[in-house]
Amino acid sequence: DQQVKQNSPSLSVQEGRISILNCDYTNSMFDYFLWYKKYPAEGPTFLISISSIKDKNEDGRFTVFLNKSAKHLSLHIVPSQPGDSAVYFCAATPSGSARQLTFGSGTQLTVLP
Amino acid sequence: GAVVSQHPSRVICKSGTSVKIECRSLDFQATTMFWYRQFPKQSLMLMATSNEGSKATYEQGVEKDKFLINHASLTLSTLTVTSAHPEDSSFYICSASRLAGGRQETQYFGPGTRLLVL
Repeated sequence: DQQVKQNSPSLSVQEGRISILNCDYTNSMFDYFLWYKKYPAEGPTFLISISSIKDKNEDGRFTVFLNKSAKHLSLHIVPSQPGDSAVYFCAATPSGSARQLTFGSGTQLTVLP
Repeated sequence: GAVVSQHPSRVICKSGTSVKIECRSLDFQATTMFWYRQFPKQSLMLMATSNEGSKATYEQGVEKDKFLINHASLTLSTLTVTSAHPEDSSFYICSASRLAGGRQETQYFGPGTRLLVL
């Protein structure tokens, strides 16, 4: 039973446009969410996180939105750049601590020049 | 800050041998480190949680006698794959947690180790 789901295995976006990556979760105990970016043969890189007490967190080109009632979060990247092409994982954890991360299956983002 | 290194980056070994992978937090002290495994086109699967000075906590289905974890200091954890077999071939990633943005911890990942068992 997947508690964190990324239903789109891949996404292609034109350079300069907005990339929207989606993530759904089922465990209502999750209250801290993170996005990681991963290149092939490398470890994931932390991008941005959001606590359940917020519905939006912004950091430069990256914005994460959280809809608790829908158990849905999304990562917006604008403007998208070719260097953003990577696999993006969302992760969730209960208790506001990153001690027990449950990862989604990832979405391969390709930004076309 | 928050750099985590792993060594080696890749290793090829014969079936039946043991392989040790090191994970270091370079610029911070990590009381907790985590070991993950990732098979091709799949998500990261947590294998075990390692706390400095105590025994690791293994996830269900992970053999603790096969995957030995030692967390000897606040900056070093090691994973030893004992008597490796071809099915152990995978990408092993460690992470270390530290406080970020207030009281919330965030995990920072190493670059991973590609293990190929022949």
